[in-house]
Amino acid sequence: GAGVSQSPSNKVTEKGKDVELRCDPISGHTALYWYRQRLGQGLEFLIYFQGNSAPDKSGLPSDRFSAERTGESVSTLTIQRTQQEDSAVYLCASSSRLIAGPLSTDTQYFGPGTRLTVL
Amino acid sequence: DQQVKQNSPSLSVQEGRISILNCDYTNSMFDYFLWYKKYPAEGPTFLISISSIKDKNEDGRFTVFLNKSAKHLSLHIVPSQPGDSAVYFCAAREGYGGATNKLIFGTGTLLAVQP
Repeated sequence: GAGVSQSPSNKVTEKGKDVELRCDPISGHTALYWYRQRLGQGLEFLIYFQGNSAPDKSGLPSDRFSAERTGESVSTLTIQRTQQEDSAVYLCASSSRLIAGPLSTDTQYFGPGTRLTVL
Repeated sequence: DQQVKQNSPSLSVQEGRISILNCDYTNSMFDYFLWYKKYPAEGPTFLISISSIKDKNEDGRFTVFLNKSAKHLSLHIVPSQPGDSAVYFCAAREGYGGATNKLIFGTGTLLAVQP
């Protein structure tokens, strides 16, 4: 398919374990975002990658969270020593990010998410 | 500190009638606003957007209105259809000047369109 894909779709882990979530963006999209959605909440920004620029990590909730992106392709979000409060749906989005500024109509396209449950 | 607020967690509308979903924001630096629709177990799907330099954008049955002075936007769906039943998220773009493009989301409104 041509959309954003994420794996796994569901992940159940024990408290204290590390998890790795994967995102495959739409081919050709230079920008990639990670968000999470806790139960009953809106989507919460985590991290943003744009080309070869330094990522915007301002949304990462703690140093247990990290993410990498290889070029303009796959990204992995890693959560170390998971805690129960990390339970959420983790969503990845990508966009073409052709122009910046107020006239940019850059639209983010989301994957189906990974539901993480920490027991 | 919720910068984007959707104060109605749910809305029920009869098929064929107008659905109006509301969203308020606090940050005057937001320059672009979007509405996303989300079905269970799927990621959000982009619906419609509006730039802060406009006050209305229309796409088929969907119209978004922006009132900058009130820091308020709304999504109108007319006529509403049962397939419109979903959670609707309002989102605002932070990052004027293009430094980043992250979106700030509201908590969503569950729309139920009754046949």
